[in-house]
Amino acid sequence: GQQLNQSPQSMFIQEGEDVSMNCTSSSIFNTWLWYKQDPGEGPVLLIALYKAGELTSNGRLTAQFGITRKDSFLNISASIPSDVGIYFCAGQRDAGGTSYGKLTFGQGTILTVHP
Amino acid sequence: GAVVSQHPSRVICKSGTSVKIECRSLDFQATTMFWYRQFPKQSLMLMATSNEGSKATYEQGVEKDKFLINHASLTLSTLTVTSAHPEDSSFYICSALGGFNYEQYFGPGTRLTVT
Repeated sequence: GQQLNQSPQSMFIQEGEDVSMNCTSSSIFNTWLWYKQDPGEGPVLLIALYKAGELTSNGRLTAQFGITRKDSFLNISASIPSDVGIYFCAGQRDAGGTSYGKLTFGQGTILTVHP
Repeated sequence: GAVVSQHPSRVICKSGTSVKIECRSLDFQATTMFWYRQFPKQSLMLMATSNEGSKATYEQGVEKDKFLINHASLTLSTLTVTSAHPEDSSFYICSALGGFNYEQYFGPGTRLTVT
């Protein structure tokens, strides 16, 4: 199935640095979501974006819904060791009927934070 | 709130046998649940959408006779991997649509190993 283009694939940073990752798509999504997955666990929702141009923060995390509705970025400021994990973007079209709620995921960004 | 559980968390089975994985929404009702499959270092791939009281909708390329889905109540969906093969070994994750914000909440995943 279709996937979103997420970059970078991996990042190795020092504690305290800021991180930025983004997702792009060739088609429009009505909702953009950012998840974090720890090894052996299911994804946990970090930020949900519902409106084109929306900029939303959750603590040290900031995400934006691109104005074209085809992209989104996630920033993490002042990274700490517990930020380590895999970050996924996901898009939702809300096409209705049996397609409601279906998510399309990006390939993921593996984040490593060195103390 | 909005907790989703999966059982078992890990299972090892022999080739040719069937395995059932349960997905439960613990504190909310979910008319729609989703089943995903994730291979190591890869993203989540949607397998099927499970709707309470009706047949599941499978994604292209997913064999419905091999991956049987039953959504018999508003809090439980099951995935049965029939006649399992080693290539079915994977991390299976469910999610449930609901809760206060009507978002998708993920379970902790089930690690299936077929020997």
